[in-house]
Amino acid sequence: DIQLTQSPSFLSASVGDRVTITCRASQGISSYLAWYQQKPGKAPKLLIYAASTLQSGVPSRFSGSGSGTEFTLTISSLQPEDFATYYCQQLNSYPFTFGQGTRLEIK
Amino acid sequence: QVQLVESGGGLVKPGGSLRLSCAASGFTFSDYYMSWIRQAPGKGLEWVSYISSSSSYTNYADSVKGRFTISRDNAKNSLYLQMNSLRAEDTAVYYCARTAVAGYDDYWGQGTLVTVSS
Repeated sequence: DIQLTQSPSFLSASVGDRVTITCRASQGISSYLAWYQQKPGKAPKLLIYAASTLQSGVPSRFSGSGSGTEFTLTISSLQPEDFATYYCQQLNSYPFTFGQGTRLEIK
Repeated sequence: QVQLVESGGGLVKPGGSLRLSCAASGFTFSDYYMSWIRQAPGKGLEWVSYISSSSSYTNYADSVKGRFTISRDNAKNSLYLQMNSLRAEDTAVYYCARTAVAGYDDYWGQGTLVTVSS
């Protein structure tokens, strides 16, 4: 199975900050990567697919990049509603594994 | 608007069975692949299973293979997960999700909690 490792696991930041979350795959997955946002008690929400394609309706302050084994999710200017947990998921081969999550909290 | 509503969760004893359902609306259900993803309390997401639009192809996580069966009824716009031989480690919120051909899940239900405990 392909393992995904997110870093950091926990991030404390302020409104207006630029933050980057990294997702590393244990083997190459081309651009078959998605990012999700999950708020407490809610279902995950798709943010980005194919590593860098913004899902319809997602604010443009979110962006994704990378290919192969290293990927990043960047939020250009944190808004209060962005404080949540973020997961990456590889879609290259079954099982479609998730990263362990990055919890983004208000400083 | 796309809606996915799970049901069927509850408390079950180890070794027991449960059948989850997911009612879909707001899109042409028969055109889409569907998936189940779970989340143990306080833990991360775990992909469980996937079914193609015509049910011709399914896939399972190793942790549930041989115990869980995914199915769908396109006439009823419904997705199912039959869970047998349940274990304590199957305790989780189970989400159904609409799955694009590329594999990402673009719409999720609100989840249904399954608790396996004696």
